[in-house]
Amino acid sequence: LAKTTQPISMDSYEGQEVNITCSHNNIATNDYITWYQQFPSQGPRFIIQGYKTKVTNEVASLFIPADRKSSTLSLPRVSLSDTAVYYCLVGEGATNKLIFGTGTLLAVQP
Amino acid sequence: EPEVTQTPSHQVTQMGQEVILRCVPISNHLYFYWYRQILGQKVEFLVSFYNNEISEKSEIFDDQFSVERPDGSNFTLKIRSTKLEDSAMYFCASIRTGGRADSYEQYFGPGTRLTVT
Repeated sequence: LAKTTQPISMDSYEGQEVNITCSHNNIATNDYITWYQQFPSQGPRFIIQGYKTKVTNEVASLFIPADRKSSTLSLPRVSLSDTAVYYCLVGEGATNKLIFGTGTLLAVQP
Repeated sequence: EPEVTQTPSHQVTQMGQEVILRCVPISNHLYFYWYRQILGQKVEFLVSFYNNEISEKSEIFDDQFSVERPDGSNFTLKIRSTKLEDSAMYFCASIRTGGRADSYEQYFGPGTRLTVT
């Protein structure tokens, strides 16, 4: 089964734009791509969801290419409080189960 | 804002014992989920539940696990005979509707930390 993979970690400074990519080459044709944020000892929290092209809300943007085999979460101007683990979540093509990505630890420094 | 609640926040049990983890999903939600997160690892899907039956389950969700919605508010995960490797955070989640597009806007509870000794 294909894995849903992300970079293990990323470093950034306050005020910078951060882009985190998830690779999901076995995504189901009718499934959405969703991103979650998780702080230590807390449950994941919904950030944004999309199916194709670009979606933007008040906290982030999500870019999805035409083949939908990857997606990129964009955080426009990060702050220290954005330090967290970020997960993508997709439906797994063969079984249609929900698969979290491997998670990316974003560390924002002053 | 309504939220998913879970009890207890921390459960310590001995290997071989049965544990029941409890969740109260948001009241008008229809789909319910359990996830597991071993310390330092990613969140793993265990099971989804809709209309009083399991709709999907992962290979982790073997015969030692069961789920139940015993009344109109609670959603429970039972582990029949705990093993050391069951030690993890267990998260409950719920979604508002059964439509596939809504499947990912899940509301997660704060989790129960299960420690098996």
